[in-house]
Amino acid sequence: AQTVTQSQPEMSVQEAETVTLSCTYDTSESDYYLFWYKQPPSRQMILVIRQEAYKQQNATENRFSVNFQKAAKSFSLKISDSQLGDAAMYFCAKGAQKLVFGQGTRLTINP
Amino acid sequence: DTGVSQDPRHKITKRGQNVTFRCDPISEHNRLYWYRQTLGQGPEFLTYFQNEAQLEKSRLLSDRFSAERPKGSFSTLEIQRTEQGDSAMYLCASSSLSRAEKLFFGSGTQLSVL
Repeated sequence: AQTVTQSQPEMSVQEAETVTLSCTYDTSESDYYLFWYKQPPSRQMILVIRQEAYKQQNATENRFSVNFQKAAKSFSLKISDSQLGDAAMYFCAKGAQKLVFGQGTRLTINP
Repeated sequence: DTGVSQDPRHKITKRGQNVTFRCDPISEHNRLYWYRQTLGQGPEFLTYFQNEAQLEKSRLLSDRFSAERPKGSFSTLEIQRTEQGDSAMYLCASSSLSRAEKLFFGSGTQLSVL
């Protein structure tokens, strides 16, 4: 079975600082997608960033970037200049239409 | 683009009752997905449709669960003879065929089985 592991149940960061959330995964596939989703208290899953496994270049979306290490099966999310609105649960996921999610990391932003 | 909408937002039911949830995807999206999320966990895949065809079902989807998408538009998820273990958030998502990996999620239906 494919698994996605987020080893940090909770993280906190000072506003305007940088934080990195970790994710590792297991797969036998050579081509796949990796995602980070944000789930605020409203419970709606919001796509933060997406990485295609065949692309070596790390994806970037404004203040959000990833460090994709395919050989190590690692996919971390870096949030720069953290803002209060970034506070949420963050889920790492792998797949395409059938996503496998990690257990999530609760991110707290300290003012 | 009005987004993915789910109804109801919350449902409280007694054990043994049947419940039905509805999902309206983004109008031009061919694919529709159901996920279940229990407290403190990430969502788990249940099933997905391409147009009206149900293409895959998870082993999590027991015989008490049935999903339909009769006209390739909205979908319903029915749970028969609910059990307390069915208490969870049921999330619906949709995507286009050309960007199948880009899922848009609804706000979910929170089910509480007493």
